[in-house]
Amino acid sequence: EIMMTQSPATLSVSPGERATLSCRASQSVSSNLAWYQQKPGQAPRLLIYGASTRATNIPARFSGSGSGTEFTLTISSLQSEDFAVYYCQQYNNWPPYSFGQGTKLEIK
Amino acid sequence: QVQLVESGGGVVQPGRSLRLSCAASGFTFSSYAMHWVRQAPGKGLEWVAVISYDGSKKYYADSVKGRFAISRDNSKNTLYLQMDSLRAEDTAVYYCARDQYHHTTGYWGPCDYWGQGTLVTVSS
Repeated sequence: EIMMTQSPATLSVSPGERATLSCRASQSVSSNLAWYQQKPGQAPRLLIYGASTRATNIPARFSGSGSGTEFTLTISSLQSEDFAVYYCQQYNNWPPYSFGQGTKLEIK
Repeated sequence: QVQLVESGGGVVQPGRSLRLSCAASGFTFSSYAMHWVRQAPGKGLEWVAVISYDGSKKYYADSVKGRFAISRDNSKNTLYLQMDSLRAEDTAVYYCARDQYHHTTGYWGPCDYWGQGTLVTVSS
């Protein structure tokens, strides 16, 4: 089973600043990596798939990079609506489709 | 527009059974694999199971294998999760979600549309 590890657990950033979230896989997942955003009381929303491709209607300030075992989600200029929990998920070797434990992005 | 609506959650005693349903609309249901993902209160996401577009292939997380069964009725555009021998640790919001890839691509991928979830509480 591939383990996904996200860091940091909590990230405090001011609106307008850049946020960088990390995700590491215990073995290579190629580029089969997705990022999701989840706000309180809501379902997750797909942001990025294929490590770097934005999903439909996702703003350009969200970008993903990486391959193999190291991945990054960058939000270039934080808006108030971006404060949420972010999860990475691998879909290269499954089952299971393992998720990271999440990074909570909070307002500084 | 794509819509997924889960139902069937509730409070159930340990060892008992429950069946969740997910009604799909706004897309050709029979063309996509479908997933169940759960989230325990205050915790992260845990993938539970996936079923192929035609129901011929099913895969499960180890934590539910042998106790849960995923199925679908393409004539009714509905996904199911039969949960038997429930345990306290199965308490969670259960989401159904669509696999991103049309079956003709041959790929299985992330989940691009999600329902709002249904809460299952296992407690005596």
